[in-house]
Amino acid sequence: KQEVTQIPAALSVPEGENLVLNCSFTDSAIYNLQWFRQDPGKGLTSLLLIQSSQREQTSGRLNASLDKSSGRSTLYIAASQPGDSATYLCAVLRTSYDKVIFGPGTSLSVIP
Amino acid sequence: KAGVTQTPRYLIKTRGQQVTLSCSPISGHRSVSWYQQTPGQGLQFLFEYFSETQRNKGNFPGRFSGRQFSNSRSEMNVSTLELGDSALYLCATRMGGATEAFFGQGTRLTVV
Repeated sequence: KQEVTQIPAALSVPEGENLVLNCSFTDSAIYNLQWFRQDPGKGLTSLLLIQSSQREQTSGRLNASLDKSSGRSTLYIAASQPGDSATYLCAVLRTSYDKVIFGPGTSLSVIP
Repeated sequence: KAGVTQTPRYLIKTRGQQVTLSCSPISGHRSVSWYQQTPGQGLQFLFEYFSETQRNKGNFPGRFSGRQFSNSRSEMNVSTLELGDSALYLCATRMGGATEAFFGQGTRLTVV
């Protein structure tokens, strides 16, 4: 059974810092991994999608890496800003017809 | 390109009533998944529909049901509402297979 965990559960950093969010999954046979952000009371916004054949994806100040063999993904945020404050969730898809499984999220607070 | 649309955005119902929520996917998306999100439980998977067929199902009681129409729009229904059904209900759509998932803004259901 696929389980997804995220560490840390919460993180508070001063503005300008580079930071890393971690996502771990128990079954390395995944199809893809997707990172989302969620603002309070809102839906999830897709940040990056990494296919199983890829090792990383970049979008602006965000970089996500995937290491299937170790069951890990990291989301790197460069030069953090107060607007980055949100909950970040990772999600994995085991097969193309399976349900998406979410981690519990990391609550990020960037202090001005 | 229009995003995922969920209606209504907010809903207040009384215990024992039933409710129907709607999700209109991005054009071309055939998969619609529904999630319940509460502060204590995080994102809980309800069910997924693909081409009008339920493809995956979570561990929710039979009071929770759904359907998908030929235009891929989906509805979920909750009968005999309980106080514990108060939550943010989110739908996510994707083209199918291992493609990127996109979320709607959710429906906030409050049961009193």
